[in-house]
Amino acid sequence: EVQLVESGGGLVQSGGSLRLSCAASRFTFRNYWMSWVRQAPEKGLEWVASIKADGSDKYYVDSVKGRFTISRDNAKNSLDLQMISLRVEDTAVYYCARTGSGTYYHFYGMDVWGQGTTVTVSS
Amino acid sequence: QSVLTQPPSVSGAPGQRVTISCTGSGSNIGAGYDVHWYQQLPGTAPKLLIYGNSNRPSGVPGRFSGSKSGTSASLAITGLQAEDEADYYCQLYDSRLSGWVFGGGTKLTVL
Repeated sequence: EVQLVESGGGLVQSGGSLRLSCAASRFTFRNYWMSWVRQAPEKGLEWVASIKADGSDKYYVDSVKGRFTISRDNAKNSLDLQMISLRVEDTAVYYCARTGSGTYYHFYGMDVWGQGTTVTVSS
Repeated sequence: QSVLTQPPSVSGAPGQRVTISCTGSGSNIGAGYDVHWYQQLPGTAPKLLIYGNSNRPSGVPGRFSGSKSGTSASLAITGLQAEDEADYYCQLYDSRLSGWVFGGGTKLTVL
């Protein structure tokens, strides 16, 4: 079964840093765009960042630009999200999601999700 | 405030048909961007329900269908079942933003 498993969440103080990881298995990871999506407590889903299959393009929601960095290691089938200068409003469950392949990757939506990892930023 | 507007809640009795709307604008849904729908059961990760406006991934029951017209999209659920009680989100990729946008979500209650 295709699988994504996140790790790295935890409690951190405002201004601190955290690195999330997502381990992919049972699909050809290097062929797919990958994304991070978060969900604040009792709130809706918010796209955070996406990275192209070969890592050459990266996109971020405005609220995290300059603070978060998405990266991937296709040899290790892993996706990371480095988060610095964390704010209380970054508190959320963070999901990694497979996000399509090829030129029209956006036609396919996000078809595989991990179980999520919780990030709590305290003041 | 999301650029995609969904009703906060909808409800229906078992066996009934319900629809959830996702209203955008001429610069996103109306411009031809493809809409996707996700189901999030309580305490679980989202699950892709409909992709590319009206396509069901393998394993999604035929009771779920999607459509798009003008600046809106809709998710229809027929033969409502208790296990359909969940939050539902629409989503699209906006190339002008180089990013993905979610609707605010709709809570479906099965009466």
